[in-house]
This record gives sequence, C-alpha cells and structure tokens, in this order.
Amino acid sequence: SQTIHQWPATLVQPVGSPLSLECTVEGTSNPNLYWYRQAAGRGLQLLFYSVGIGQISSEVPQNLSASRPQDRQFILSSKKLLLSDSGFYLCACNQGINYGYTFGSGTRLTVV
Amino acid sequence: DQQVKQNSPSLSVQEGRISILNCDYTNSMFDYFLWYKKYPAEGPTFLISISSIKDKNEDGRFTVFLNKSAKHLSLHIVPSQPGDSAVYFCAASALAGGTSYGKLTFGQGTILTVHP
Repeated sequence: SQTIHQWPATLVQPVGSPLSLECTVEGTSNPNLYWYRQAAGRGLQLLFYSVGIGQISSEVPQNLSASRPQDRQFILSSKKLLLSDSGFYLCACNQGINYGYTFGSGTRLTVV
Repeated sequence: DQQVKQNSPSLSVQEGRISILNCDYTNSMFDYFLWYKKYPAEGPTFLISISSIKDKNEDGRFTVFLNKSAKHLSLHIVPSQPGDSAVYFCAASALAGGTSYGKLTFGQGTILTVHP
C-alpha cells in the first residue's frame, strides 16, 4: 500500500521568506501526485498536480510553485511567502484514475 | 466557483443515533463521488465512494446515497459513535472525461460531533 511522508508537521515563517515543503511516496511507482491546501474555514483546494517527473500542472494562480525532480518526490516552494499563504498543506497520491487517494499527514504553515 | 458544497459547517449527534451529512454539486460532468474523514492535524482518509451509475453504496455503518437529478449526495452513519467525531469532506470527479488525472474537487467539510 502507498505511504506518503510529508514534513515538517508545523512551520512558522515570516512574510517574505522562502518555503520548501517536501513529500515522498513509498509503495508505488509512477503515481499521480497532488498538493492541496486547506485554508481556515474552507475546503481542500487543489494547487498542483503531477502525472510524471517534471510534469506540473497548476490549478490556481498563486505565489507558490511545485516541482517533481524524482518519480516519488513532490516539492512545494515559494520564493517569498505572503500572509495569505498560511494554511494546512496536504500532499496526496493515487494511481491513474484510481480515486483512492492516499494523503500525507499535512503541514500547518503559519506566515507571520 | 464552489462546485462541491457542504452547506452545514457542523453537525452534533447523540451516540447511537443516525448522522446524516449532506453534499451538493453543480458540475453535471461529475460522475464519481467520495467521502473522506479527517482528524485534526492529520491527512484525510478515504471512507466510501459511489459511482454515478449507482444510487446507493453501503459499507458497514456507512451508506452513501446519490440523487443525480438533484445533484445531491448524503452520507449516513448508523449508529453514530464518539470515534466518528471528525471533519467529513465530500469530493467529486469527472471520470468519463478521461483527462481528469484523478483530480478531486472537495467540499468545505462538515464537523461531526458525536456525544456519548
């Protein structure tokens, strides 16, 4: 079965600082990978998805970027954080059109 | 544009009673629906799903009902237990299009509290 490792669990960063969140997947190969964000009082919003190495699709315009340097590694980055980037970030994976998502444990990001 | 809506932010139920969580969607291309459960500081976990070719799917205490004409689905938990207290997310996807890549659109979530 698939396992997602996501770190750190919590992060407090000042406005204007850079960000790098990493997600790695075990137990599968060539997964679809996703970054979701849950802002306060809102649902899970899809930020990026990737169907293969180096293939990134962005769902919403924003201050963040994503990269997939290896098959089972997905990175969420920002050069300069904004207050509005605060939220709970979740990495997820699935296989093809199998909708049985596996989620990571999430990162609580607070931008101050 | 919120394509999947959970209009009840919270629901409080007595242990042993039925919990009914509701979800509405607007995109008629959605043909696969899922429910996820999330505890604080954890990622969501898959609970139950239903394809648009069905109107009901049951798994133990959990049953999902789909009303395509009303673009409405609901999750029934019977009997409710205190351990069911969590945030429940409804999610939908358009499988038939073939290019969805497994992308899910989530609702805002409903906080379920089951009192002993």
